[in-house]
Amino acid sequence: SQTIHQWPATLVQPVGSPLSLECTVEGTSNPNLYWYRQAAGRGLQLLFYSVGIGQISSEVPQNLSASRPQDRQFILSSKKLLLSDSGFYLCAWSSQPNTEAFFGQGTRLTVV
Amino acid sequence: QQQVKQSPQSLIVQKGGIPIINCAYENTAFDYFPWYQQFPGKGPALLIAIRPDVSEKKEGRFTISFNKSAKQFSLHIMDSQPGDSATYFCAALLVNRDDKIIFGKGTRLHILP
Repeated sequence: SQTIHQWPATLVQPVGSPLSLECTVEGTSNPNLYWYRQAAGRGLQLLFYSVGIGQISSEVPQNLSASRPQDRQFILSSKKLLLSDSGFYLCAWSSQPNTEAFFGQGTRLTVV
Repeated sequence: QQQVKQSPQSLIVQKGGIPIINCAYENTAFDYFPWYQQFPGKGPALLIAIRPDVSEKKEGRFTISFNKSAKQFSLHIMDSQPGDSATYFCAALLVNRDDKIIFGKGTRLHILP
């Protein structure tokens, strides 16, 4: 069966520090991968999605970047965090034919 | 045209009642409509999904009703329980396409004991 791993679960980082969140998927090949951000009590904001290695689409211009160095690995990064980067970050995967998304457990990021 | 409009934003229902969450879409090419349930501090989990060639789908106490001509679909929770209190998201997507999933903005449901 397919599983998705996302870590860390919580993270407190100072303003101006770098960020690296990692997501890996097991049990499937060539998945579509997504990074979402969710503000408290709010909806899902799509940040990046990838349909293959090295193929990244950015939805929202911001202080973040994403990379997909391996087929089932998706990394969210920032060189210098801002207070506004605080939020709940979710990784998700999907695959054909149905392509509904399956989410990881999320990372609660607090920038202080 | 890529939006999915979800309502209400929040909903409070007495235990045993039937909360109804509605979603509407514009893109008639969408051909798969999943619903997600999210508890606080957790990622959304796939709850139930429907294709537009079906007018209704039931899984346990959860039912999706689909109106293709009106481009609307809704989630009904029968005999609601306090444990159903969560945020619910509807979504729409194109099967067999490498395209992003379109989510509604979510409904915060609270079931009173």
